Amino acid sequence: DIQMTQSSSSLSASVGDRVTITCRASQTISTYLNWFQQKPGKAPKLLIFDASNLQNGVPSRFSGSGSGTNFTLTISSLQPEDFATYFCQQNYDLPLTFGGGTKVEIK
Amino acid sequence: EVQLVESGGVLVEPGGSLRLSCAASGFSLRNAWMSWVRQAPGMGLEWVGRIKSKSDGGTTDYTARVKGRFTISRDDSRNTLYLQMNSLKIEDTAVYYCSTGPAWGQGTLVTVSS
Repeated sequence: DIQMTQSSSSLSASVGDRVTITCRASQTISTYLNWFQQKPGKAPKLLIFDASNLQNGVPSRFSGSGSGTNFTLTISSLQPEDFATYFCQQNYDLPLTFGGGTKVEIK
Repeated sequence: EVQLVESGGVLVEPGGSLRLSCAASGFSLRNAWMSWVRQAPGMGLEWVGRIKSKSDGGTTDYTARVKGRFTISRDDSRNTLYLQMNSLKIEDTAVYYCSTGPAWGQGTLVTVSS
């Protein structure tokens, strides 16, 4: 199975900060990488697909980059509604696997 | 509006069986590859399995932890996806989501406990 590692399980930031969340795959996955946002008690929401493509309706402050094994989700200016947990997911090979999540908390 | 609504989650004893449903509206399930994803309390996301569209063969794939115990099926005429869960274990306790990829349901809680 492909292991997805998000090195930070949590980070603290302030409104307006630039936030970067990283995700590493245990083997190359090209750009078959999605990013999800999840708020407590809610379903995950797709933000970015294929590593860098913004899902319809997602604010442009979210962006994704990377290929191969290293990927990044960037929030250019953190807003109050962005405090949540973020998961990466590879869809290069079965079983599809998720990173452990990075919780963005208020500093 | 695309909507997915899961149902069927309950408290069940270890070794028991349960069938979850996922009703789709706002789009036709017919051409969609559908997945089930679960999340144990306070934990991360785990892909359970998927079913391809009938036009792509309708085949299923599962994570090793549920293979042989869980079965995903679809009734495109009812626009509904199913997850049949047998030989349930305590570690199957989770919120179960159905998903098209972009669209997710709100989840249904399955609790396996004696």
